[in-house]
Amino acid sequence: DVVMTQTPLSLSVTPGQPASISCKSSQSLVHYEGRTSLYWYLQKPGQSPQLLIYEVSKRFSGVPDRFSGSGSGTDFTLKISRVEAEDVGVYYCMQSIQLPYSFGQGTKLEMK
Amino acid sequence: QVQLVQSGAEVKKPGSSVRVSCKASGGTFSTYTITWVRQAPGQGLEWMGRIIPIFDTTNYAPKFQGRITFTADDSTRTAYLDLSRLRSDDTAVYYCARESYLSPDAFDIWGQGTMVTVSS
Repeated sequence: DVVMTQTPLSLSVTPGQPASISCKSSQSLVHYEGRTSLYWYLQKPGQSPQLLIYEVSKRFSGVPDRFSGSGSGTDFTLKISRVEAEDVGVYYCMQSIQLPYSFGQGTKLEMK
Repeated sequence: QVQLVQSGAEVKKPGSSVRVSCKASGGTFSTYTITWVRQAPGQGLEWMGRIIPIFDTTNYAPKFQGRITFTADDSTRTAYLDLSRLRSDDTAVYYCARESYLSPDAFDIWGQGTMVTVSS
C-alpha cells in the first residue's frame, strides 16, 4: 500500500502569515499517462471534507488563489500565502495512483 | 447543483450489519464514481472503496474485504454501503463522495456524513 506522510501534524499561524504543509508518498504518484494523482482536501470543523487542489497544483473551482500546490514524484507541498481565519481545519493529502487509495494523517491548522 | 444526501445516524450492536445510503440530487448519477470514506472519532480520513454505477464495478480496501458491499440503484439515484459483522472500531462517520468531472479520483461533492455507533 502507498503510505502518505504529512508534516507537520499541527500548525499554529498568525493571520496574514504564510503556511506550508508537506506530503510525502512511499512511491511515485505519476501515472504512465503523465498526470500525477495527488489531491489536497480541507476539513473545516464540523464539516465534510472539501476539495482544494487536484493533480498536485490545480485549484478547484472557488478555491482562493492564496492556496497553491506544488511538487512531483513523491514530494508535495501545499502553501497558503496569507492565512485567514476561515482556513482553520485539518488538511489532508490523498493519493490515487494505486488501490487502496490513501490519505495522509492530516495537518491541523490553527490561528495564533 | 448536485448534492449527496446521506441517511441518518445509526446505533448498532456488535456483530450486526448497517446500511448507509447516499442519494444524489441533480446531474447524472450512474456515470460518476462514488467513493466511501470513513472517519473514526478524532481520527483522520480512511478510504474504504468505490463503485462505478454505470459498470457496476467495485473496489474495496483490503481491510474491509468480505464485510463490505457497495451497490447503486440508478432508478433512485442512490448508492448504498453495507457493512457487516460490526465491531466497536467501526464506530465512525461514513461519507460518500462523488468524483469530479475535472479529474478522476478528485472528490468534489461530499455527503453530510452518517454517524454509525457500534456499542453493546
